Amino acid sequence: DAGVIQSPRHEVTEMGQEVTLRCKPISGHDYLFWYRQTMMRGLELLIYFNNNVPIDDSGMPEDRFSAKMPNASFSTLKIQPSEPRDSAVYFCASSFRRQTYEQYFGPGTRLTVT
Amino acid sequence: QKEVEQNSGPLSVPEGAIASLNCTYSDRGSQSFFWYRQYSGKSPELIMFIYSNGDKEDGRFTAQLNKASQYVSLLIRDSQPSDSATYLCAVFTGGFKTIFGAGTRLFVKA
Repeated sequence: DAGVIQSPRHEVTEMGQEVTLRCKPISGHDYLFWYRQTMMRGLELLIYFNNNVPIDDSGMPEDRFSAKMPNASFSTLKIQPSEPRDSAVYFCASSFRRQTYEQYFGPGTRLTVT
Repeated sequence: QKEVEQNSGPLSVPEGAIASLNCTYSDRGSQSFFWYRQYSGKSPELIMFIYSNGDKEDGRFTAQLNKASQYVSLLIRDSQPSDSATYLCAVFTGGFKTIFGAGTRLFVKA
Protein backbone atom coordinates (compact mmCIF):
# COMPACT_ATOMS: atom_id res chain seq x y z
CA ASP A 1 0.00 0.00 0.00
CA ALA A 2 1.29 3.46 -0.89
CA GLY A 3 0.13 5.04 2.36
CA VAL A 4 -1.53 8.43 2.63
CA ILE A 5 -0.46 10.72 -0.19
CA GLN A 6 -0.40 14.48 0.09
CA SER A 7 0.43 17.19 -2.40
CA PRO A 8 2.13 19.52 -2.69
CA ARG A 9 4.87 18.77 -0.14
CA HIS A 10 5.83 22.40 0.08
CA GLU A 11 3.84 25.50 -0.79
CA VAL A 12 4.99 29.09 -0.62
CA THR A 13 2.43 31.74 -1.40
CA GLU A 14 1.72 35.38 -0.83
CA MET A 15 -0.85 36.68 1.58
CA GLY A 16 -4.27 36.87 0.00
CA GLN A 17 -3.75 34.02 -2.43
CA GLU A 18 -5.83 30.87 -2.50
CA VAL A 19 -4.13 27.67 -1.39
CA THR A 20 -5.39 24.14 -2.05
CA LEU A 21 -3.92 21.13 -0.31
CA ARG A 22 -4.68 17.63 -1.53
CA CYS A 23 -4.89 14.23 0.09
CA LYS A 24 -5.41 10.64 -1.03
CA PRO A 25 -6.19 8.32 1.90
CA ILE A 26 -5.20 4.69 2.19
CA SER A 27 -7.51 2.57 0.08
CA GLY A 28 -10.33 1.08 2.15
CA HIS A 29 -10.04 3.55 5.00
CA ASP A 30 -13.36 5.20 5.85
CA TYR A 31 -12.14 8.07 8.00
CA LEU A 32 -10.07 11.04 6.83
CA PHE A 33 -8.62 13.74 9.05
CA TRP A 34 -6.99 17.10 8.41
CA TYR A 35 -4.55 18.42 11.02
CA ARG A 36 -2.42 21.51 11.37
CA GLN A 37 0.85 21.46 13.32
CA THR A 38 2.76 24.45 14.63
CA MET A 39 5.37 24.84 17.32
CA MET A 40 3.06 26.99 19.39
CA ARG A 41 -0.13 24.96 19.17
CA GLY A 42 1.05 21.45 18.43
CA LEU A 43 -1.11 19.11 16.37
CA GLU A 44 -4.66 20.42 15.96
CA LEU A 45 -7.55 18.57 14.36
CA LEU A 46 -9.24 20.79 11.80
CA ILE A 47 -11.93 18.54 10.35
CA TYR A 48 -12.69 14.89 9.80
CA PHE A 49 -14.83 12.91 7.39
CA ASN A 50 -16.50 9.53 7.65
CA ASN A 51 -17.48 7.88 4.38
CA ASN A 52 -16.88 11.21 2.60
CA VAL A 53 -19.25 13.13 4.90
CA PRO A 54 -17.86 15.90 7.15
CA ILE A 55 -18.54 14.89 10.74
CA ASP A 56 -16.83 17.54 12.84
CA ASP A 57 -15.42 20.80 11.52
CA SER A 58 -15.24 22.57 14.87
CA GLY A 59 -11.49 22.83 14.56
CA MET A 60 -11.59 24.84 11.35
CA PRO A 61 -10.24 28.19 12.47
CA GLU A 62 -12.21 30.53 10.26
CA ASP A 63 -14.48 30.75 7.26
CA ARG A 64 -11.36 31.17 5.16
CA PHE A 65 -10.82 27.43 5.59
CA SER A 66 -12.93 24.86 3.77
CA ALA A 67 -12.58 21.14 3.12
CA LYS A 68 -14.22 18.72 0.75
CA MET A 69 -14.18 15.01 0.10
CA PRO A 70 -15.89 14.37 -3.23
CA ASN A 71 -15.09 10.65 -3.19
CA ALA A 72 -13.44 8.00 -1.04
CA SER A 73 -10.01 8.53 -2.55
CA PHE A 74 -9.61 12.31 -2.55
CA SER A 75 -9.93 15.29 -0.25
CA THR A 76 -8.96 18.94 -0.42
CA LEU A 77 -8.33 21.62 2.17
CA LYS A 78 -8.63 25.13 0.82
CA ILE A 79 -7.57 28.42 2.38
CA GLN A 80 -8.92 31.56 0.75
CA PRO A 81 -7.55 34.16 1.31
CA SER A 82 -4.38 32.93 2.97
CA GLU A 83 -2.67 34.86 5.78
CA PRO A 84 0.85 34.61 7.27
CA ARG A 85 -0.57 33.06 10.46
CA ASP A 86 -1.73 30.10 8.37
CA SER A 87 1.89 29.06 7.93
CA ALA A 88 2.18 25.55 9.34
CA VAL A 89 2.53 21.92 8.38
CA TYR A 90 -0.80 20.44 7.33
CA PHE A 91 -1.22 16.70 7.73
CA CYS A 92 -3.84 14.42 6.32
CA ALA A 93 -4.48 11.09 8.08
CA SER A 94 -6.81 8.17 7.51
CA SER A 95 -8.10 5.25 9.54
CA PHE A 96 -10.29 2.19 9.31
CA ARG A 97 -12.92 2.17 12.02
CA ARG A 98 -13.62 -1.52 12.12
CA GLN A 99 -10.14 -2.41 13.24
CA THR A 100 -9.12 0.27 15.62
CA TYR A 101 -9.07 4.01 15.71
CA GLU A 102 -5.40 4.42 14.98
CA GLN A 103 -4.59 6.90 12.28
CA TYR A 104 -1.99 6.81 9.54
CA PHE A 105 -0.48 10.11 8.54
CA GLY A 106 0.64 11.44 5.21
CA PRO A 107 3.98 13.21 4.81
CA GLY A 108 2.42 16.64 5.28
CA THR A 109 2.39 19.88 3.34
CA ARG A 110 4.60 22.66 4.66
CA LEU A 111 2.77 25.90 3.93
CA THR A 112 4.51 29.26 4.09
CA VAL A 113 2.46 32.41 3.56
CA THR A 114 4.54 35.55 3.09
CA GLN B 1 -6.80 21.70 32.08
CA LYS B 2 -5.69 20.36 28.73
CA GLU B 3 -7.41 17.21 27.54
CA VAL B 4 -4.14 15.36 27.02
CA GLU B 5 -1.05 16.47 28.91
CA GLN B 6 2.56 15.50 28.44
CA ASN B 7 5.81 16.86 29.80
CA SER B 8 7.40 18.68 26.88
CA GLY B 9 10.89 17.66 27.94
CA PRO B 10 13.45 17.34 26.67
CA LEU B 11 13.99 13.99 28.33
CA SER B 12 17.60 12.95 28.02
CA VAL B 13 18.72 9.36 28.67
CA PRO B 14 21.98 7.53 27.97
CA GLU B 15 22.11 4.85 25.33
CA GLY B 16 20.97 1.50 26.70
CA ALA B 17 18.84 3.01 29.46
CA ILE B 18 15.06 2.87 29.86
CA ALA B 19 13.18 5.95 28.70
CA SER B 20 9.86 6.57 30.46
CA LEU B 21 7.31 8.85 28.83
CA ASN B 22 4.11 9.83 30.59
CA CYS B 23 0.72 11.16 29.61
CA THR B 24 -2.47 12.04 31.49
CA TYR B 25 -5.91 12.64 30.04
CA SER B 26 -9.07 14.26 31.33
CA ASP B 27 -11.96 12.42 29.64
CA ARG B 28 -12.92 9.34 31.66
CA GLY B 29 -14.90 8.08 28.68
CA SER B 30 -11.75 7.71 26.59
CA GLN B 31 -11.54 4.38 24.86
CA SER B 32 -8.25 4.03 23.03
CA PHE B 33 -4.77 5.29 23.61
CA PHE B 34 -1.93 5.68 21.17
CA TRP B 35 1.72 6.59 21.06
CA TYR B 36 3.13 8.20 17.96
CA ARG B 37 6.77 8.93 17.22
CA GLN B 38 7.64 12.00 15.17
CA TYR B 39 11.11 12.64 13.87
CA SER B 40 12.02 16.23 13.09
CA GLY B 41 10.49 17.28 9.79
CA LYS B 42 8.53 14.04 9.43
CA SER B 43 4.96 12.96 10.03
CA PRO B 44 3.74 11.17 13.17
CA GLU B 45 4.16 7.40 13.02
CA LEU B 46 2.06 5.05 15.13
CA ILE B 47 4.22 2.85 17.35
CA MET B 48 1.85 1.52 20.03
CA PHE B 49 -1.82 1.39 20.93
CA ILE B 50 -3.54 0.09 24.03
CA TYR B 51 -7.18 -0.31 25.07
CA SER B 52 -7.19 -2.29 28.30
CA ASN B 53 -5.70 -1.60 31.70
CA GLY B 54 -2.26 -3.07 32.19
CA ASP B 55 0.79 -3.47 30.04
CA LYS B 56 1.25 -4.15 26.37
CA GLU B 57 4.67 -5.05 25.05
CA ASP B 58 6.00 -4.84 21.49
CA GLY B 59 9.70 -5.38 21.12
CA ARG B 60 11.55 -2.72 23.10
CA PHE B 61 8.34 -0.75 23.68
CA THR B 62 5.85 -1.21 26.51
CA ALA B 63 2.67 0.80 26.83
CA GLN B 64 1.00 0.99 30.23
CA LEU B 65 -2.56 2.10 30.88
CA ASN B 66 -4.29 2.93 34.16
CA LYS B 67 -7.80 4.14 33.47
CA ALA B 68 -8.59 4.78 37.14
CA SER B 69 -5.69 7.23 37.31
CA GLN B 70 -6.24 8.41 33.72
CA TYR B 71 -2.61 7.74 32.99
CA VAL B 72 -0.78 6.29 30.02
CA SER B 73 2.93 5.67 29.74
CA LEU B 74 5.45 4.42 27.22
CA LEU B 75 8.63 2.65 28.23
CA ILE B 76 11.47 2.26 25.77
CA ARG B 77 14.01 -0.33 26.84
CA ASP B 78 17.61 -0.37 25.64
CA SER B 79 17.20 3.14 24.24
CA GLN B 80 19.11 3.87 21.05
CA PRO B 81 20.15 7.20 19.52
CA SER B 82 17.69 6.41 16.71
CA ASP B 83 14.89 6.65 19.30
CA SER B 84 15.57 10.37 19.63
CA ALA B 85 12.33 12.00 18.50
CA THR B 86 9.18 13.63 19.80
CA TYR B 87 6.65 11.19 21.22
CA LEU B 88 3.00 12.15 20.96
CA CYS B 89 0.36 10.67 23.21
CA ALA B 90 -3.08 10.49 21.58
CA VAL B 91 -6.40 9.65 23.19
CA PHE B 92 -9.60 8.63 21.47
CA THR B 93 -12.10 10.31 23.75
CA GLY B 94 -15.71 9.62 24.64
CA GLY B 95 -16.56 12.48 22.30
CA PHE B 96 -15.33 10.39 19.38
CA LYS B 97 -12.32 12.55 18.75
CA THR B 98 -8.64 11.76 18.88
CA ILE B 99 -6.84 14.40 20.89
CA PHE B 100 -3.07 14.68 20.73
CA GLY B 101 -0.78 15.84 23.48
CA ALA B 102 1.89 18.41 22.74
CA GLY B 103 4.58 15.73 22.75
CA THR B 104 7.70 14.90 24.74
CA ARG B 105 11.10 15.35 23.12
CA LEU B 106 13.44 12.47 23.83
CA PHE B 107 17.20 12.60 23.38
CA VAL B 108 19.20 9.40 23.65
CA LYS B 109 22.89 10.16 24.17
CA ALA B 110 25.40 7.80 22.58
